[in-house]
Amino acid sequence: EDQVTQSPEALRLQEGESSSLNCSYTVSGLRGLFWYRQDPGKGPEFLFTLYSAGEEKEKERLKATLTKKESFLHITAPKPEDSATYLCAVQAGGSTLGRLYFGRGTQLTVWP
Amino acid sequence: GAGVSQSPSNKVTEKGKDVELRCDPISGHTALYWYRQRLGQGLEFLIYFQGNSAPDKSGLPSDRFSAERTGESVSTLTIQRTQQEDSAVYLCASSSRLAGGLETQYFGPGTRLLVL
Repeated sequence: EDQVTQSPEALRLQEGESSSLNCSYTVSGLRGLFWYRQDPGKGPEFLFTLYSAGEEKEKERLKATLTKKESFLHITAPKPEDSATYLCAVQAGGSTLGRLYFGRGTQLTVWP
Repeated sequence: GAGVSQSPSNKVTEKGKDVELRCDPISGHTALYWYRQRLGQGLEFLIYFQGNSAPDKSGLPSDRFSAERTGESVSTLTIQRTQQEDSAVYLCASSSRLAGGLETQYFGPGTRLLVL
């Protein structure tokens, strides 16, 4: 069974304290890995897509990386407005093309 | 441009009643997905529509759940004889196929369903 595991479940950082979120996956034939941000009461907001091991993408204070087994979301010098739940999802090959398998998310709180 | 919209934003119903949830995808997106997000859980895939192909219903949890889509536009998710365990946020996403077939799914704000 395909699985996506995110860690830690929750992370509290002081403003400016850099850290990383982890997403490990076991899927058959990874086609893409996605990172989303979800604020309370809202739907997930797309951040990044990574296609192959070694790939990196950046957006403001966020940088996503991908290996054959896991992805990291690095947050550099976070600000309180970065507080949200970060979701990782993978798209696999096979008969259910298109569907995403999601992890449970990492709830990030950045305090001033 | 306009994103994915869903209605209602909140729905409170009594156990045993039927509910209909609506999703308006991004214009031009051929693929539409429904997911369920229960408290403390990851998003669970429910159903997938792609163009005129038969929908992938493999994620529907029971025969009380059904969904329809009119062409490449609006979709409705229907839950019959609701149960308390159906309480969740129901999220709709749409996408358009990129080169190579990999799609980015864009989500709506969700419908928060509470079954009393």
